[in-house]
Amino acid sequence: DTAVSQTPKYLVTQMGNDKSIKCEQNLGHDTMYWYKQDSKKFLKIMFSYNNKELIINETVPNRFSPKSPDKAHLNLHINSLELGDSAVYFCASSSRGEKLFFGSGTQLSVL
Amino acid sequence: AQSVTQPDIHITVSEGASLELRCNYSYGATPYLFWYVQSPGQGLQLLLKYFSGDTLVQGIKGFEAEFKRSQSSFNLRKPSVHWSDAAEYFCAVGLRDGGFKTIFGAGTRLFVKA
Repeated sequence: DTAVSQTPKYLVTQMGNDKSIKCEQNLGHDTMYWYKQDSKKFLKIMFSYNNKELIINETVPNRFSPKSPDKAHLNLHINSLELGDSAVYFCASSSRGEKLFFGSGTQLSVL
Repeated sequence: AQSVTQPDIHITVSEGASLELRCNYSYGATPYLFWYVQSPGQGLQLLLKYFSGDTLVQGIKGFEAEFKRSQSSFNLRKPSVHWSDAAEYFCAVGLRDGGFKTIFGAGTRLFVKA
């Protein structure tokens, strides 16, 4: 009964490819997020959706495009992958935006 | 700009010893403050949070934290560390900026020696 699940757990791909990461939460939360954790463990918010509406969009390259088909799902599509995109990407959800529930992460390696 | 500083990149304590992880924040108003823990290969889990009221807050797994406005600090403590506490600990500030945004510190890696 995973509360926030994201797939795949590992993603290895070549530079220039396009890839997607999927996230689903079964907590009934209205807000979902994408965070990026770099190799030094630094966590930075990328996007936030509230009830399918984009409400936070940090300075992320437009190669990254989030999509929320409904409030239980938030996917992340990345075009033209670059070496610097290698990181762990975490999906999270919350109700009223306060306590975050995290997925277990997707480790993206761009070769 | 809002920021969170965790001055210790890593800390090593003996099992059974007490622990204090430091956190300082920079924010104009009274912030929402959090501590999260991340075990290897896992996402983050909330240990405790402070929004208002009693400045000493209790969390899960025997952790507590104290909010000190005068020092802009929110240090995490545990009286007796267990080997299973070895993990990465993140202090965070929450603020409303459009939506609710959580800004994380760089983390402190805790090592526990037998």
